[in-house]
Formats: sequence, structure tokens, C-alpha cells
Amino acid sequence: QSVLTQPPSVSGAPGQRVTISCTGSSSNIGAGYDVHWYQHLPGTAPKLLIYGSSNRPSGVPDRFSGSKSGTSASLAITGLQAEDEADYYCQSYDSSLSGSRGVFGGGTKLTVL
Amino acid sequence: EVQLVESGGGLVQPGRSLRLSCAASGFTFDDYAMHWVRQAPGKGLEWVSGISWNSGDVGYADSVKGRFTISRDNAKNSLYLQMNSLRAEDTALYFCAKSSGEGPTLASYDSSPFFDYWGQGTLVTVSS
Repeated sequence: QSVLTQPPSVSGAPGQRVTISCTGSSSNIGAGYDVHWYQHLPGTAPKLLIYGSSNRPSGVPDRFSGSKSGTSASLAITGLQAEDEADYYCQSYDSSLSGSRGVFGGGTKLTVL
Repeated sequence: EVQLVESGGGLVQPGRSLRLSCAASGFTFDDYAMHWVRQAPGKGLEWVSGISWNSGDVGYADSVKGRFTISRDNAKNSLYLQMNSLRAEDTALYFCAKSSGEGPTLASYDSSPFFDYWGQGTLVTVSS
């Protein structure tokens, strides 16, 4: 059971828009920690997609965007392309008695129909 | 060019130990926190452990606390993960990841570093 909750799967046709949600709580996203998003093909190194909830690293197309509100965050992908088919993970931190600890969402598999 | 190269994975029996290493290059290693993240077969990414630049702040996932120890040698630009009392559920591809954070702690309410570079991973299989 992941600390951050994501839908297991989403799908869309080429050219369409999809969103992936990431729901946390008052000890992580709601506490003020930023949310970051990664694109991952199993067996390879994950790729940073969005950092600081809504910022894109150099080289990431502006088809990818992120937002955060309250205890949740979301990733939106517009103009879906076949190459977007991958697993997507949100990441943040959770506050505990021993300090801040990293947490990931359970991951969402994007299928491009 | 930033490079992170993990090593030390392999097949190990339950209850035994293994030490993973991550050799870093292409950046000032002792400026940044570093982390270990794993992916079990058919599962998602799981944060395992992190260590601040000067080893002053270290953290572990509950699933490995008391069994795994993270450490770093800034003189050798290397990150380590000592894994003891290994279990079948520790079977996974282990990634070394560089944090964007340069602070004294892994994260805080006004600083939530992300993982900007990752290695290719080293596979750990725990089985008899």
C-alpha cells in the first residue's frame, strides 16, 4: 500500500488528453512537500518529467504539465503520442518522527490506444 | 556528464548479506544527497533509503529499517547500501539516484528535492 495513491492505469487515443492523479495526506503533499513526476519503462532508469509540482526539465515537451492543490497533485499529458506509453510515478516526502522520508505513488500505466 | 553506476547485485540466500555500491562521476558528489530506490518484479518504484551530503541525515523505508544501512564515501565518490538479513521480498532492481538537494537534511517543508539522475540499476535476487 503506497503512501501516495495513483490510479493503476489510464488510457487514451493518440492526440487525446489524459490526467493522472496522485493523492496524499496531511503528512506529505498536504504538509507542503513538492511533488515530482517520473516516466519509467521497466528495466530502465526512470526519467524526471516534472519537478516542483509544475516545472519541466529541459528537453521535456510542453505536452506534459503538472499541478498541485491541497493534498493532491496531477500530471496532464496532451496530444498523446505512442511514445508516451510508459509507467508514471509521483514522488514526494513524508514527515515522520525521524525526519522527512521519500515516498512514491504506486505508479500508473499509460496505454496509448 | 553525470554517471551513476551500480554494482554488487546478485543471487543470495535468504538471511544472508549483500553490499551494493554506486560509483558517481560528472558532478561534485559531496554537494548532494543520494538515494537508493528499488523496483521488485511486477511492482512499482519504492524509495529505500537516502543520505544527506555529509551523512548527517539518513532515512530508511519501514520495510528495510534495522536491516539495511546506507553510507557514502565522499573521497571515493561512492554510495553504498549494506543489506543484511535479506528476504525474498527484497528481490528487486536497485537504483542509485542523485538528489537535487544540497541541504543538511533529505528534505524539509520548504525544500523537496527531486531525483535528477539515475543509474541503470543492479539486480538483487534473494532465493534459496
